[in-house]
Amino acid sequence: DQQVKQNSPSLSVQEGRISILNCDYTNSMFDYFLWYKKYPAEGPTFLISISSIKDKNEDGRFTVFLNKSAKHLSLHIVPSQPGDSAVYFCAASADNQGGKLIFGQGTELSVKP
Amino acid sequence: DVKVTQSSRYLVKRTGEKVFLECVQDMDHENMFWYRQDPGLGLRLIYFSYDVKMKEKGDIPEGYSVSREKKERFSLILESASTNQTSMYLCASKGRIEQYFGPGTRLTVT
Repeated sequence: DQQVKQNSPSLSVQEGRISILNCDYTNSMFDYFLWYKKYPAEGPTFLISISSIKDKNEDGRFTVFLNKSAKHLSLHIVPSQPGDSAVYFCAASADNQGGKLIFGQGTELSVKP
Repeated sequence: DVKVTQSSRYLVKRTGEKVFLECVQDMDHENMFWYRQDPGLGLRLIYFSYDVKMKEKGDIPEGYSVSREKKERFSLILESASTNQTSMYLCASKGRIEQYFGPGTRLTVT
C-alpha cells in the first residue's frame, strides 16, 4: 500500500520555465512533508519541507504547496536551471512513527537548455 | 554541516557471502536509518535505530540485520547475499525533521 505517490516518473522542462512536481498521499496523520533531490550515484539532498499546518513554504527558487483537503503537495522550481536536472523524491513523516520517512517513487526532472 | 559517510561507494560480492555496510554520522543524532533505492520503487526502509543497541524493522527487513554498538555508527549486514539484494544502499541520520543521507553504496551481488 503506497502511502506516498509520485505518479509522473519523468518531467521535461525548458530552462527558465517553471517546473512543477506533484505528490499525493493517503495518510492524514502525516505532519511533515519533505522534498529531496538526488543526482545519480549520490545520496539524496534535503531541499525543502512543509508542516501540515501550513499551505506554502518558500526558499529561493523552490516553493512547496500543500493542499490538505486533496492530500496533495507540489514543488515549484522557478526559474528552472539545467543543474536542477535530477530525481526528486517527496517524503512524509508522522509524529507517531518515530521519525520514519515514507518516500514516493521519484520523478526524474530534465531541464533542457 | 552534517556529515554522513558510508564505508564503500561500490561493492561487488558473490551469492552467499556475508556483507557489511558501515555508516558513520558526526552530529550526535539518535536516529539512524538504512534504505535501499531501486528504480521505480523510491527509497524503502530496511531498518532503523533510535539509540545505541536499539533497532526496529522497517518495511523490507528480510535478509538483513543491523548493529548499533556506538551512537555514531550504524551497520547493515546481509547475512547471505543474494542477487535480489543488488541495489543502492543509503544510510541516513535524522536531525529535527529532515534526514541527512550518506553518498550511498552501490552493491552488486553476482
